Amino acid sequence: GAVVSQHPSRVICKSGTSVKIECRSLDFQATTMFWYRQFPKQSLMLMATSNEGSKATYEQGVEKDKFLINHASLTLSTLTVTSAHPEDSSFYICSTSSGGPNEQFFGPGTRLTVL
Amino acid sequence: KQEVTQIPAALSVPEGENLVLNCSFTDSAIYNLQWFRQDPGKGLTSLLLIQSSQREQTSGRLNASLDKSSGRSTLYIAASQPGDSATYLCAVRRNAGNMLTFGGGTRLMVKP
Repeated sequence: GAVVSQHPSRVICKSGTSVKIECRSLDFQATTMFWYRQFPKQSLMLMATSNEGSKATYEQGVEKDKFLINHASLTLSTLTVTSAHPEDSSFYICSTSSGGPNEQFFGPGTRLTVL
Repeated sequence: KQEVTQIPAALSVPEGENLVLNCSFTDSAIYNLQWFRQDPGKGLTSLLLIQSSQREQTSGRLNASLDKSSGRSTLYIAASQPGDSATYLCAVRRNAGNMLTFGGGTRLMVKP
């Protein structure tokens, strides 16, 4: 399967700061990337779908001005959590797809802790 | 709206047992269904992908079946090992696009 990396793997920040998380598709061109959030002992919830070169599509209840997504190339998508609050503390996971109803490949996740 | 349910939520078995994890979904119009494994604090590892036209897929000690009409899938793990301990997630790809909807997962503990 495809190799997907995320950076950083773990980040701790103060409330009110912004945090950027990178998702890279290392061995194929990802036309679509997905960002998920996972709270402790819960399943993954899709936050947004990121298409290269166009605006991301956000799921209902996800604030697009708070969770900024940039998919500027076929190998990189970034998620920026702006003005982070403790309730944003979560495990953020990205996945990539080459398009169509094909298998998705997931990154290792980023653990965000907001103090 | 597609809803995916996994039963049981948690399962503890002795090493060597064969076990079945269940996944059900409310909208049978799916492209495919995928089973994942997630270790604590880690990302997801894809185990098996079943296309909507398929009935089952096998990989080693794992066998996944799909009954699309009844909205069910099962993951069968043969001769379980302590290394199988993890959370198992099923996810369905909805008809209208490439989005995955996940179930709540089954936390499996295999005791030596």
